[in-house]
Amino acid sequence: DSGVTQTPKHLITATGQRVTLRCSPRSGDLSVYWYQQSLDQGLQFLIQYYNGEERAKGNILERFSAQQFPDLHSELNLSSLELGDSALYFCASSVDPDLNSPLHFGNGTRLTVT
Amino acid sequence: GESVGLHLPTLSVQEGDNSIINCAYSNSASDYFIWYKQESGKGPQFIIDIRSNMDKRQGQRVTVLLNKTVKHLSLQIAATQPGDSAVYFCAENSSNYGQNFVFGPGTRLSVLP
Repeated sequence: DSGVTQTPKHLITATGQRVTLRCSPRSGDLSVYWYQQSLDQGLQFLIQYYNGEERAKGNILERFSAQQFPDLHSELNLSSLELGDSALYFCASSVDPDLNSPLHFGNGTRLTVT
Repeated sequence: GESVGLHLPTLSVQEGDNSIINCAYSNSASDYFIWYKQESGKGPQFIIDIRSNMDKRQGQRVTVLLNKTVKHLSLQIAATQPGDSAVYFCAENSSNYGQNFVFGPGTRLSVLP
């Protein structure tokens, strides 16, 4: 068990809808990362937060947004969903991104858009 | 940005043999590397890491080798077991990416009885 908790485990929704994915980092970790994993794209970095502030952005669509709250949990919001958004969404956390420490991943949320 | 790649997308080994999974990286500024194992239905699990000031690091049944000259990373698994069957990813990190990890496409390891 990595200590990173993601909810829900599965999510099925229709095109055009909006969903929110939630992540609780490991105790003591200040940085949260979101990754998307699809069959043909591997693990793609979306966005990173550190202590409540956005730290870096990757290949995140404008329809997607995220935030990290004062208690350090994070939410990833996906709107105007398309079939191609179906994927596994992983959250990871680390102690401090400047210390070259490993990312610890949750077990993901599997999103299916129908 | 630059990406991490793998030479072999699939690898099949006999139980008890040693496994070697390879990874090529293209960013010479990368200074931290990690190997992850991902089993079906789970998130990537940290196996071992290595910093660029080292060329070898050993863990329990695993060894990571780093060759900065040719930008190559490998994971060696000794006495491969059925429980080692999974997809293995290498990941690189450098300040060029703002401390964001870039993952390779993964190698599927299948352990044959």
